[in-house]
Amino acid sequence: NAGVTQTPKFQVLKTGQSMTLQCAQDMNHEYMSWYRQDPGMGLRLIHYSVGAGITDQGEVPNGYNVSRSTTEDFPLRLLSAAPSQTSVYFCASKIRTGGRETQYFGPGTRLLVL
Amino acid sequence: KQEVTQIPAALSVPEGENLVLNCSFTDSAIYNLQWFRQDPGKGLTSLLLIQSSQREQTSGRLNASLDKSSGRSTLYIAASQPGDSATYLCAVSNDYKLSFGAGTTVTVRA
Repeated sequence: NAGVTQTPKFQVLKTGQSMTLQCAQDMNHEYMSWYRQDPGMGLRLIHYSVGAGITDQGEVPNGYNVSRSTTEDFPLRLLSAAPSQTSVYFCASKIRTGGRETQYFGPGTRLLVL
Repeated sequence: KQEVTQIPAALSVPEGENLVLNCSFTDSAIYNLQWFRQDPGKGLTSLLLIQSSQREQTSGRLNASLDKSSGRSTLYIAASQPGDSATYLCAVSNDYKLSFGAGTTVTVRA
C-alpha cells in the first residue's frame, strides 16, 4: 500500500490564482480530511468527508472547496488564493474497526501565496 | 469547542535525561488521544494512540498516560537520545475530527 499520497509537494501561487491539491489513499478508508498547519499553531481541520459523495466543513473552511467522487480521492481546491492561505496542508484518512481508530497522514503540501 | 494545550512549547535536555511532555484538553468526551512526532519540514508520524477506555500505552522507550476525567495526557520518553529531537504533537479525537495542540519542540543535546 502507498498509504496517503499528496501532490504537489511544494507550490508557489500568485494572489487570485486557483489550484487543486491532490490527495489519494489506497486503503479503502471511508473517512478523509484536510488540515492546515501554521507556525506556532496546531493543525486545524479545513474539510472532511465520511464517504464518497459526503463532505462537511471543519474549523477553517473559508476559501476552500472539496468534493469526494470516489473513496480513493479527496482533492482540495483553492478558488482564489490569498497570502493568508500560505501554509502546509496535510491530508489524512482514518479507519475505525472493533472500537479502535487509526489515522494516517500524507507527507504534506507546502503552499506559498505571493 | 475542544481546546488542546501543550506545555512547555520548547524543551532542551542533555542526552540520557528522561523527557516529560504534557497535554491538556478541555472536553473529556474524547474517542481517543494520539501522540505524533514531526521532524522539520516533514509529515506526522504516529507514536502512540490511547483509546478513551485505556489509561496508558507503551512502545519501547515511550509511555503515554491518559486521565480523561482531568483532561490530561503525559508522554514520557526514557533515556533521551539526540535522535529524539523533534516536535511532538498531541491530538484528541472527538469522532469526526482531531484537535491538535501546538506542539512541544524537543532538543536533546549530545
